[in-house]
Amino acid sequence: EPEVTQTPSHQVTQMGQEVILRCVPISNHLYFYWYRQILGQKVEFLVSFYNNEISEKSEIFDDQFSVERPDGSNFTLKIRSTKLEDSAMYFCASRLNLAGGYTDTQYFGPGTRLTVL
Amino acid sequence: KNEVEQSPQNLTAQEGEFITINCSYSVGISALHWLQQHPGGGIVSLFMLSSGKKKHGRLIATINIQEKHSSLHITASHPRDSAVYICRGTSYGKLTFGQGTILTVHP
Repeated sequence: EPEVTQTPSHQVTQMGQEVILRCVPISNHLYFYWYRQILGQKVEFLVSFYNNEISEKSEIFDDQFSVERPDGSNFTLKIRSTKLEDSAMYFCASRLNLAGGYTDTQYFGPGTRLTVL
Repeated sequence: KNEVEQSPQNLTAQEGEFITINCSYSVGISALHWLQQHPGGGIVSLFMLSSGKKKHGRLIATINIQEKHSSLHITASHPRDSAVYICRGTSYGKLTFGQGTILTVHP
């Protein structure tokens, strides 16, 4: 069964450094998402991406964040200058968009745990 | 006040019990999703609902659009059902998560 993959599984970085989190969505999916979950807190939506541009983004997704689909298979989240409070689990998800709306299933990757020291 | 509220926050059950987790939302949504987050952190989509009821194995999800309420039921619960269950509302691209319900099923 196809699945969403994410690399690395765990990233440790120094405050102020740039990190790139990588996701490979399911190959025929058209919508892509990033979420984060700070330890002990609820999952938060960061951004959705369709047709090579951002569809929606939350207030968390400020200028320090960017997303890219550089080669038609990878979907990346870049944090330009990490802060301590960026430490979280970051989940990527993708969906096919059968219905043309927001109602079909999203498939989640296993997550990347980002630790900022 | 959260736009999506779940109850209870913590739920402990004995194996075999029937379990209900509730989700109420105060915003208009086009769909509601139930997600399961495993102890290791991985997230799985269980159901997507825009009306009525869906069943998959021992899991049943219902939604009442008028009352802005959804429930997730687990019949004949098992220790492997122990996880965090999250409801999430979708409204024209905006995704709002509940805080999650921690379910522990004891053998």
